[in-house]
Parts: sequence; structure tokens; C-alpha cells
Amino acid sequence: AQKVTQAQTEISVVEKEDVTLDCVYETRDTTYYLFWYKQPPSGELVFLIRRNSFDEQNEISGRYSWNFQKSTSSFNFTITASQVVDSAVYFCAPLAGNTGNQFYFGTGTSLTVIP
Amino acid sequence: GAVVSQHPSRVICKSGTSVKIECRSLDFQATTMFWYRQFPKQSLMLMATSNEGSKATYEQGVEKDKFLINHASLTLSTLTVTSAHPEDSSFYICSANPQVAGAQETQYFGPGTRLLVL
Repeated sequence: AQKVTQAQTEISVVEKEDVTLDCVYETRDTTYYLFWYKQPPSGELVFLIRRNSFDEQNEISGRYSWNFQKSTSSFNFTITASQVVDSAVYFCAPLAGNTGNQFYFGTGTSLTVIP
Repeated sequence: GAVVSQHPSRVICKSGTSVKIECRSLDFQATTMFWYRQFPKQSLMLMATSNEGSKATYEQGVEKDKFLINHASLTLSTLTVTSAHPEDSSFYICSANPQVAGAQETQYFGPGTRLLVL
């Protein structure tokens, strides 16, 4: 099974600051996927990104960017110019490509953006 | 995108009663659905994998007789918490994979069901 470590349990930033959420994963699979989900206070999980292990290009989507470093098994997530609406719990989750599609989530990082 | 619904969104019940939670894929078929549980300020923990037409696969430590799962069709899985107790109070979330080839890795989550057992 995969394992993920999100070392930052809670982060607080002031609005408009940039913030990076760390994610380190462990897997024995050669093919896998990496996901980030956002869970706002309402509880519903919001899909942010899915990255194939063969694609090491960094990705930017608006204020969001992701840095995938396969050599260090990290898939960090940066929010630029944070906003209050970004306040949520963020989960990084690896998914094996050749087994069941169930997630084993890490502890998540709770982000609070202070106005 | 694909939509997964859950019903009810929240439920309060008395200790000892059973509660059924439905998970539906609204615009796609799903041979596999997953049930997760999340206690306050904790992560989501996988409870079981629901397979259409066959028995569910439970994670270690999850009582299959207490959390009954039925996946009777390609769009519906139900989780029944039998003889619920206050410690079963939690946020239950389901997810589903579209049956379409190439989309197997994409999971869509339901909005969750908050269960409070008094």
C-alpha cells in the first residue's frame, strides 16, 4: 500500500501570502498517480489535480502550482496570493496504477488564511 | 464532471437503531465504490470497497457485521450502520470510479453524510 506524509498539520498565513503544502509519499509501484484534494469546512472533497508518475513536469493552474520531484518522492502544492476561501484541509494521496483504486489518505494539512 | 450523491446529508438517530446511507453515481456507472469514515479533525479512513454484484471487501479493523454494504446496481451502493452507538458518530463519504476505460484512476467523491448517534 502507499503511504503519504504531510508533515505540516496546521498552517496559518495572512491573505495574499504564498504558501506551500508539503507532501512526501512512499510506494513500491512503478506506475502510480498522485492526487491533491481540498476539503473545505462543508466537508465535500474537491478534486484539485491528478498527476501520473511518468509525468514530472510541474503544473500551474491559476494561483495553484504543483512541484513533482520523483527523485525525492515529493509532490508539493503551492498557493500563490492566498485568499480566505483557500482555508481548508488539503490532502495529498498516492494511488497505485495496478491495484484497486482506493485511497489511503495522509493526515492532511489544515490551512487557515487570515484576512 | 461526474457527480456522486449521498443521502441523507445528515442524520441523527438514537443509540441502538440502524441507519442506511445511500451513495449514487448520477451520470456514470461504477462497478466499484468506496466508503470512508472521517472523525473530527482527522483524515479519511478507508472502510471498505463495495463491488457490484459481489461481497464488499473490508479494511482491517472494520466490522463487516456492523457496517453492512450492499452494491445492488452499477449506480448505487448502500452502507448500513447497524445498532449504531455514539462512537459511530462520524462523517461518512463514498467515492466511485467511472466504468469507462482510461478513467479508472479518477475517483469522484460524494458530499458526505454526517451521522450523529445520541
